[in-house]
Amino acid sequence: DAKTTQPPSMDCAEGRAANLPCNHSTISGNEYVYWYRQIHSQGPQYIIHGLKNNETNEMASLIITEDRKSSTLILPHATLRDTAVYYCASGGGADGLTFGKGTHLIIQP
Amino acid sequence: GAVVSQHPSWVICKSGTSVKIECRSLDFQATTMFWYRQFPKQSLMLMATSNEGSKATYEQGVEKDKFLINHASLTLSTLTVTSAHPEDSSFYICSALGGGAEQFFGPGTRLTVL
Repeated sequence: DAKTTQPPSMDCAEGRAANLPCNHSTISGNEYVYWYRQIHSQGPQYIIHGLKNNETNEMASLIITEDRKSSTLILPHATLRDTAVYYCASGGGADGLTFGKGTHLIIQP
Repeated sequence: GAVVSQHPSWVICKSGTSVKIECRSLDFQATTMFWYRQFPKQSLMLMATSNEGSKATYEQGVEKDKFLINHASLTLSTLTVTSAHPEDSSFYICSALGGGAEQFFGPGTRLTVL
């Protein structure tokens, strides 16, 4: 299983883009990269996932480097409600996910 | 979207008793479900993989006789914490595998063992 590392915390100004990095240098070829976020005492909320190509949905964009050793989650216009712990995870398919320790993103007004 | 529920949302029990937690996929069938545990201020850790109609597979360090998993139908997996002790107090979260690679998580169950 790939080990994922994330910065413990980040600040971002409201209305700006929040860019959250994740390193997964030991990810294997068939493992996906996932991003979830969690607000205190709730289950993780799915944001986005990808394998090789960059992905975009209504919540965020996921940029995966060509060597797949790292990725960046982009929240294009952060709001106060985006304050949460963001987890990068790898795995997928019939396998469970290996979560990073998470980044506490604080959106400043 | 796909919804996963858990019951109960929280439970308090005495040391030595057993507690059962249910995980249901409400609008889709899930051959595979996963159980995670999260201690305060820590990340989620995979405990076991639950496959419908077969034995669960446990991660290293997770006692299969203590954490009993049953996945008797395509929409229900249960986790029973047997002879619970205070160190088992944690946030237990399940997820269900949808048709693709996406895992849908439940809201979690807070277990407190006195």
